[in-house]
Amino acid sequence: QKEVEQNSGPLSVPEGAIASLNCTYSDRGSQSFFWYRQYSGKSPELIMFIYSNGDKEDGRFTAQLNKASQYVSLLIRDSQPSDSATYLCAVRGAGSYQLTFGKGTKLSVIP
Amino acid sequence: GAVVSQHPSRVICKSGTSVKIECRSLDFQATTMFWYRQFPKQSLMLMATSNEGSKATYEQGVEKDKFLINHASLTLSTLTVTSAHPEDSSFYICSATGPGTSGGRPSETQYFGPGTRLLVL
Repeated sequence: QKEVEQNSGPLSVPEGAIASLNCTYSDRGSQSFFWYRQYSGKSPELIMFIYSNGDKEDGRFTAQLNKASQYVSLLIRDSQPSDSATYLCAVRGAGSYQLTFGKGTKLSVIP
Repeated sequence: GAVVSQHPSRVICKSGTSVKIECRSLDFQATTMFWYRQFPKQSLMLMATSNEGSKATYEQGVEKDKFLINHASLTLSTLTVTSAHPEDSSFYICSATGPGTSGGRPSETQYFGPGTRLLVL
């Protein structure tokens, strides 16, 4: 069974700090990796995707992928209170069009 | 681009009635749509995957006769909760994937609708 694991948190960081969110996955053949943000009572919204080893930056967000370690992370620089949400890691495995979602990490940015 | 809408956003119904939820891709053709359910403070639970013009594939434990899914066109999928009961009260969210989504994103990128909150009394 394909699994995506995330620390449920809550992760609390002060405003302006770097928030680091981690995700591991079990399917070594996984090909695409996504980070979604979900505010309380709302549906998920896409933040970033990555499918090559290394770092990918988009504004204050950086996704990092290490396929050898089956590990993907999301860094949020200069964290803002508006970043407070649950962050979902999603992985597409080999031979499947579905995404497997982790249970999410709740982030709280303290003003 | 890649906007998905859902209707209604909120519905309250009596036990035993049926409720239909619509999911539309507004600016792209959705070859595949997914239906999720989310209970408070829990993660997304995939209910079923539907491809246009074919029968939906349901996840283990999801009753296909209770949760009827129709994906009649490339822009519309519907979920009907038949004979709803209070335990069906939940947040139902659809997502869609398809070719031609913007920004060079993988075609398997899922774009979520805003969700439908169902309360069965």
